[in-house]
Amino acid sequence: DAKTTQPTSMDCAEGRAANLPCNHSTISGNEYVYWYRQIHSQGPQYIIHGLKNNETNEMASLIITEDRKSSTLILPHATLRDTAVYYCIVRPQGAQKLVFGQGTRLTINP
Amino acid sequence: NAGVMQNPRHLVRRRGQEARLRCSPMKGHSHVYWYRQLPEEGLKFMVYLQKENIIDESGMPKERFSAEFPKEGPSILRIQQVVRGDSAAYFCASSGGTGRFDEQYFGPGTRLTVT
Repeated sequence: DAKTTQPTSMDCAEGRAANLPCNHSTISGNEYVYWYRQIHSQGPQYIIHGLKNNETNEMASLIITEDRKSSTLILPHATLRDTAVYYCIVRPQGAQKLVFGQGTRLTINP
Repeated sequence: NAGVMQNPRHLVRRRGQEARLRCSPMKGHSHVYWYRQLPEEGLKFMVYLQKENIIDESGMPKERFSAEFPKEGPSILRIQQVVRGDSAAYFCASSGGTGRFDEQYFGPGTRLTVT
């Protein structure tokens, strides 16, 4: 499985955009990038996924570099409720299981 | 539309007892996954099941752990003769299995404490 590297922790001011980076330099051409988050003690929550084009939904935007070696999850207007651990996951084709790393602990400050 | 349901939410067992964790997938979902999160660690995949079949159990400990997803009723994760190291949060997820990369939706988890 392709490995991902994320910063251990980040801080962001409430109302600002939170940009969470992820490196996945060994990603294969048919592997998708998924983002999940886990708010304290709750089950993980799906956020977004993409292959090579940028993606946007009601929760976030996903920017994938042209060489696909890295990506950025953007929360456009962070709120206190966005404080969570964010996991960037590379999912191999045909694999059903999710392989979670340590993630980034994002803290939104008032 | 009810989400993934897990019960109990908290379970306390003494060493040597059995623990049974239940997971009801989202309506219409036929794929179930179990993950374990040890204290201060990330989530680890345990097992992937479809109705009446275990598809991938590569993350299951070789002994004392078993899982099933019967034709009727919830999926069950069973831990026999629990030890203190089994104390963790156990999360169940479900998916519809309709696409190559369908999303998994997680339940609230069962927190197992072994005393």
